[in-house]
Amino acid sequence: DAGVIQSPRHEVTEMGQEVTLRCKPISGHDYLFWYRQTMMRGLELLIYFNNNVPIDDSGMPEDRFSAKMPNASFSTLKIQPSEPRDSAVYFCASSLSGTGGLEQYFGPGTRLTVT
Amino acid sequence: GEDVEQSLFLSVREGDSSVINCTYTDSSSTYLYWYKQEPGAGLQLLTYIFSNMDMKQDQRLTVLLNKKDKHLSLRIADTQTGDSAIYFCAPGRGGSYIPTFGRGTSLIVHP
Repeated sequence: DAGVIQSPRHEVTEMGQEVTLRCKPISGHDYLFWYRQTMMRGLELLIYFNNNVPIDDSGMPEDRFSAKMPNASFSTLKIQPSEPRDSAVYFCASSLSGTGGLEQYFGPGTRLTVT
Repeated sequence: GEDVEQSLFLSVREGDSSVINCTYTDSSSTYLYWYKQEPGAGLQLLTYIFSNMDMKQDQRLTVLLNKKDKHLSLRIADTQTGDSAIYFCAPGRGGSYIPTFGRGTSLIVHP
């Protein structure tokens, strides 16, 4: 398997623009997680899905952030409008249910810079 | 305070042992993980321990858990330059598998 795939790897955008980050989980995994990593706050869980259904979005910072999972092989994280404080590395991870959930598999991340 | 606290940096000499310490707040964590992040990459699971254990050894890695004090540590024996990375202590959320991450500890190994 190719692992968790994220695109784009780097995104530079201007404040106020819409940003869409994409993730393809490992085939067969039924959990998908979106994280944000910054120096100040470390790695924060934004939202996670189980079988394409959002389970916990309490980590989503505000209404400017939204996430969808239209099918088992694709998820998006959208920021509209973007702000400079959204600059961070965004990771997607997937895992199996049951004892397979012991390990999360992370993608390489998307480095977002908002100017 | 933070849910997971670790020192931000640790510098060791190649061949020495490294010990990364962590304190956490969730006393109901059943699974406690250590993840490793190499430069420019995502995180990878390094090892984990169940809350009913106080020690786990896996080759050069030793995990110690003091559940009463909510203290977790990772010891890396014979540290190599390839061990330079960020190490995240990640206690599970209650009885679930889902980890809570902190800011991580940057381990710097110098010759």
